[in-house]
Amino acid sequence: DAGVIQSPRHEVTEMGQEVTLRCKPISGHNSLFWYRQTMMRGLELLIYFNNNVPIDDSGMPEDRFSAKMPNASFSTLKIQPSEPRDSAVYFCASSLEAGGTWGTEAFFGQGTRLTVV
Amino acid sequence: GNSVTQMEGPVTLSEEAFLTINCTYTATGYPSLFWYVQYPGEGLQLLLKATKADDKGSNKGFEATYRKETTSFHLEKGSVQVSDSAVYFCALSDFTGGGNKLTFGTGTQLKVEL
Repeated sequence: DAGVIQSPRHEVTEMGQEVTLRCKPISGHNSLFWYRQTMMRGLELLIYFNNNVPIDDSGMPEDRFSAKMPNASFSTLKIQPSEPRDSAVYFCASSLEAGGTWGTEAFFGQGTRLTVV
Repeated sequence: GNSVTQMEGPVTLSEEAFLTINCTYTATGYPSLFWYVQYPGEGLQLLLKATKADDKGSNKGFEATYRKETTSFHLEKGSVQVSDSAVYFCALSDFTGGGNKLTFGTGTQLKVEL
């Protein structure tokens, strides 16, 4: 398997523009996570999907952020409008959760480095 | 809620030195515990895990033991190499609140010098 695939790897955009980050989870995985990593805050969970349904979006910082998972093999994280403080590395991760399974490993993509100028 | 606290970095060691990175946690349920490693420019990779009290996770010479009495999961390695230079994250997951979400510590940067 190719692992979790994110695109683009790097994105530079101007303040106010819309940004869309994409993620393809590992085939067969039923949980998907979006994380943001910054020097100041470390790794923050933004949103968590299970079976394509958003379970917890309490980490989404503002209404400017939205995430979708239209099917089991694709998810997007959109920022509209973008601001310089959104500059960070955004990671997507996926895992396979089965009922009563403990210690499920999450597999991470290589991340998208977003710079908003 | 759940939280993970790990020692501040950066940690700088000489090659072949002994490594300990401390990690303690707070959880409302019965968590599983993980150590992830992040090499420069890459995503996180699972290093080792433990799913219940007194379990020891091990991989690539690294070890960590799930200590419920002290709510700790300290990472150790007897002899580090330059190639171990990376950022190490302690994490936990449990099903409390719905779903198997990972909560991460802030990360500890390790630098190993010759």
